[in-house]
Order: sequence, then C-alpha cells, then structure tokens
Amino acid sequence: ETGVTQTPRHLVMGMTNKKSLKCEQHLGHNAMYWYKQSAKKPLELMFVYSLEERVENNSVPSRFSPECPNSSHLFLHLHTLQPEDSALYLCASSQEYRDLVRSPLHFGNGTRLTVT
Amino acid sequence: KNEVEQSPQNLTAQEGEFITINCSYSVGISALHWLQQHPGGGIVSLFMLSSGKKKHGRLIATINIQEKHSSLHITASHPRDSAVYICAVRSWGGGGADGLTFGKGTHLIIQP
Repeated sequence: ETGVTQTPRHLVMGMTNKKSLKCEQHLGHNAMYWYKQSAKKPLELMFVYSLEERVENNSVPSRFSPECPNSSHLFLHLHTLQPEDSALYLCASSQEYRDLVRSPLHFGNGTRLTVT
Repeated sequence: KNEVEQSPQNLTAQEGEFITINCSYSVGISALHWLQQHPGGGIVSLFMLSSGKKKHGRLIATINIQEKHSSLHITASHPRDSAVYICAVRSWGGGGADGLTFGKGTHLIIQP
C-alpha cells in the first residue's frame, strides 16, 4: 500500500473516446502531480497542483485536462487522444510543492493507457 | 539545463552478485533521489541524498558532489530486486516545475 491509489490500472480507449484517470492520496499531502512515462524515456512532468491550485502546466496538449477538486483527489480527463499518448500515467504526491529535499514524492502504481 | 545519465541501461546478473548502478549529472544539485520501479509500474523512493552515503538493508547509495556522480549498490542480489532503478536530481533553480530531472532508468534483471 503506497498511500497513493490510482484507478484504473489499465485502460484501452479509442481516439474518439472520453475517459478519466483518478488518483487519491491518503497521506495528507498538499501537492499532487501527474507524470507521463513513455517507453525508453525519462519521466515527464505534466501538471502540478499545490493546495488545489494548478501551479504548472508543462506545455501539455489540451486533450489532457487535469482537475483537483480537493487536496486528496486528482483527475486527468482524456479526450480525442492519439496513439502516441499511449504510456504509463503516474500520479504522485508530496507534503509540500517544490520542497522535495524534505518531502519526497510518493507515487501511485500508475495507469497503463493504450490508445487504439 | 541539467542532464542526468544512468549506466548501464540494462543489466542482467546472477543471484548473489554485487550490483552497481551509476548516475552522473551536469550541474549543481541540492538532492539526488534513487527510485525503484517494479514491473507493475509503481515507483518507490529508495533514498534521498545530498552528501555522503546511506544504507538500507542490502542497498547502499553514495554520492560524490565534486564529481557529480552517485552510485546505487545492491549486495547479495536477489530475483526480487529485478526492477527499473531511476535516478532523479533536484537542481538549484533548475529542472521541471517539480524541480526534478529524471534519468532514463536502469533495467535490472537478477536471475536465480
């Protein structure tokens, strides 16, 4: 049990579908993150929320839409994705935003997304 | 821009062998993280280092700030150590919005 739970674990969707990824953290952390992990590439930061406010959007296409209704929940809404968006999407949390010296990241198990 | 290079990219070893994974970076950092990713996908933080050496069970992490280099060692390796090991550095004022730059990871397989 990592303290960060992601659902679903696997998702297959067509290019015209709309789906959402869910992340929940039970650690009382103030910051939550979405990362994309593609094969043979380093982890890429997509979005950061601190105290439910979006802090950064790392030039992510608008077909990815994050939502953070409270400090424990984070969603990633997906629509009209492309096959190259197939990847592992990881959610993480930390006690404070950018204070990763004293508050390391805690990751979920990820959602394996396949776009057909 | 900070570059993080890990070596080797892939490593296959026999159970019981001593394993070393290396991480080099190009600019000054405030902290370095070693992460472990199992085949299921989840990532676990193993160590956070800013100097010296840390040990946890059979895992040892060292960092040389002057040489901009860190190593992760596994003693008496076991098949359950099979995973991807990722190095991530927190730069002074650099990195992404999370302040981190990640390596591509080292894929370790320990055969029984």
